[in-house]
Amino acid sequence: EDQVTQSPEALRLQEGESSSLNCSYTVSGLRGLFWYRQDPGKGPEFLFTLYSAGEEKEKERLKATLTKKESFLHITAPKPEDSATYLCAVINAGNNRKLIWGLGTSLAVNP
Amino acid sequence: SAVISQKPSRDICQRGTSLTIQCQVDSQVTMMFWYRQQPGQSLTLIATANQGSEATYESGFVIDKFPISRPNLTFSTLTVSNMSPEDSSIYLCSAGGLNEKLFFGSGTQLSVL
Repeated sequence: EDQVTQSPEALRLQEGESSSLNCSYTVSGLRGLFWYRQDPGKGPEFLFTLYSAGEEKEKERLKATLTKKESFLHITAPKPEDSATYLCAVINAGNNRKLIWGLGTSLAVNP
Repeated sequence: SAVISQKPSRDICQRGTSLTIQCQVDSQVTMMFWYRQQPGQSLTLIATANQGSEATYESGFVIDKFPISRPNLTFSTLTVSNMSPEDSSIYLCSAGGLNEKLFFGSGTQLSVL
């Protein structure tokens, strides 16, 4: 069964303290892996799409990487405004358009 | 990118009543979806809204309970019918194109008493 597991469930960092969020997946052929950010009271906001092992994408303090089993979202020198829930989702090669979502990692960055 | 307007943003409803949620996209999109987001659970796809035809429902969701309309490429509605407290949740409209990147509305926070 296709599955996405995110860890940790919650993470608290001090401003400037870099860390990584993990997204492990089990799918029968990966078509794409997506990272989203969700702020309280809002819908998810698209961050990155990764398609193949070894691929990396960057945006400001965030960098997403992909292997054949997992993806990492690296946060470098985070700021309080990076506080949010980060969601990971995958689409397998045989089931287009239906994203399989993880439960998310709730990140809090203290000033 | 697409901007999605969803309304109402929140509502408190009585058991047995129905609520219709509207979703307006600022550009024509290929795909529109309705999701449910409950505390402690991952986003759950309710259905794919098909333009001009019946929606495609996921397992566990039926048309009588969640009728969906999509009269054109930029607008869709989801109705939550005969509500019970178990329907209390956040309902999200999303839209995307052929690259599978989805954009989301801000959601409707529904509480059923």
